[in-house]
Parts: sequence; structure tokens; C-alpha cells
Amino acid sequence: AQSVTQLGSHVSVSEGALVLLRCNYSSSVPPYLFWYVQYPNQGLQLLLKYTTGATLVKGINGFEAEFKKSETSFHLTKPSAHMSDAAEYFCAVSTDTGRRALTFGSGTRLQVQP
Amino acid sequence: SAVISQKPSRDICQRGTSLTIQCQVDSQVTMMFWYRQQPGQSLTLIATANQGSEATYESGFVIDKFPISRPNLTFSTLTVSNMSPEDSSIYLCSVVSGGANPNYGYTFGSGTRLTVV
Repeated sequence: AQSVTQLGSHVSVSEGALVLLRCNYSSSVPPYLFWYVQYPNQGLQLLLKYTTGATLVKGINGFEAEFKKSETSFHLTKPSAHMSDAAEYFCAVSTDTGRRALTFGSGTRLQVQP
Repeated sequence: SAVISQKPSRDICQRGTSLTIQCQVDSQVTMMFWYRQQPGQSLTLIATANQGSEATYESGFVIDKFPISRPNLTFSTLTVSNMSPEDSSIYLCSVVSGGANPNYGYTFGSGTRLTVV
């Protein structure tokens, strides 16, 4: 079975500062890793995903994440935060065997201070 | 990738009653997943619905409380039975986009916001 741990339920940064949201996973087989964003009272939006190939993945809105197998991590970064980045971010893992459903982390609420 | 139509988008229900949520997919998919998102929480998998067989429920979820139907490869329903205020949540369905391999990613319905009073 797979699992996801997101360190930090709340992260606050200043506008223009680096955004770093941490995600560690556990999986007995090669994982597929995803980051989703959820704005208040809205649905999930896919930011980026890692399945195979290049370990540095670029997504929408300037976000990127790097798959590090040795560290079992998939941290999300953005060089410069915008006010519009304030939202809830979820890391999730799945595999191409077994049940194939996404397993979500507990989420990180990002606040961006002016 | 697949497109999902989920209904209703929201409902307010009396305790003790049941609500059935529908998800219609515009293409045939092998597996459909049902999730619950309690207020301020993450998404938790309720069950996986496979056509032609009983749904597979996750720990803490039982068929009597959350019966699921999967009559064909494009449609599924989730019923929340004998509701209590603790069932107030957003319920979402999801499929693997474009096939059975998660390599393609996932598509989510827009969610059903349920309030039990």
C-alpha cells in the first residue's frame, strides 16, 4: 500500500518569496506522483505529475517538482509567490498495479502575505 | 481525457434520509473511484467501483452505509444512507483519464456538497 506525508499543514510566505511545499511518499512499487491545488469552494486542479522519465517536472502557474527516489520525496516549488497562489495543495500517489486509486496527503494551506 | 458529469452539485438533507449521487463519464472506463472530503480535510477514498462486480470498500467504509452501483462502463452511483450531520462532506467521483493506466492522470467530477441537518 502507498501513503503520502505532507510536512506542514500551513505554510506562510511573503509575496515574491520562494514557495516550498514538502511531500514524502511510501510505495513498494514505482510511484506515480501528483500535485493538485484547490481554491476555496472549488474543485481540484492538477498542477503537475510525475509518471516516468525526467525527474524534474514543470507544471502550470510556474510550479515545478522534483522526484527524488533516494529521498522518497516530491517537493513542490515556485520561485516567486503571487497572492493568487493562496490555496490548499495536495500531494497524491498512485501506481499502475493494484487498486490504482489516488492516495492523498493531508494537504498544505499556503498563505501569501503582501 | 474523460469528462465527468456529477449530480447533484449540492443538497441539503434531513438526518435519517438517503441521497444518491450520480456520475456519468463520456467514455468507457474500467474503474471509478468515490472519495469523501470532509470540511477542511483531505480526500479519502471510499471505494472503487468496477463494472460487473461488487465495489471494493476501504477500511472504515461499509456497503450498508455507502452502497454503490456500477451498471455499465460509463455510469456509477453512490448512495449515502441513513444520513447524520457527520456525513456532511463533499463527495467526488474520479476515473483514470484516457485508459486504465494512471500514467495518464485522473479526472474528477465537480463534486457534490452535502449538508445534513
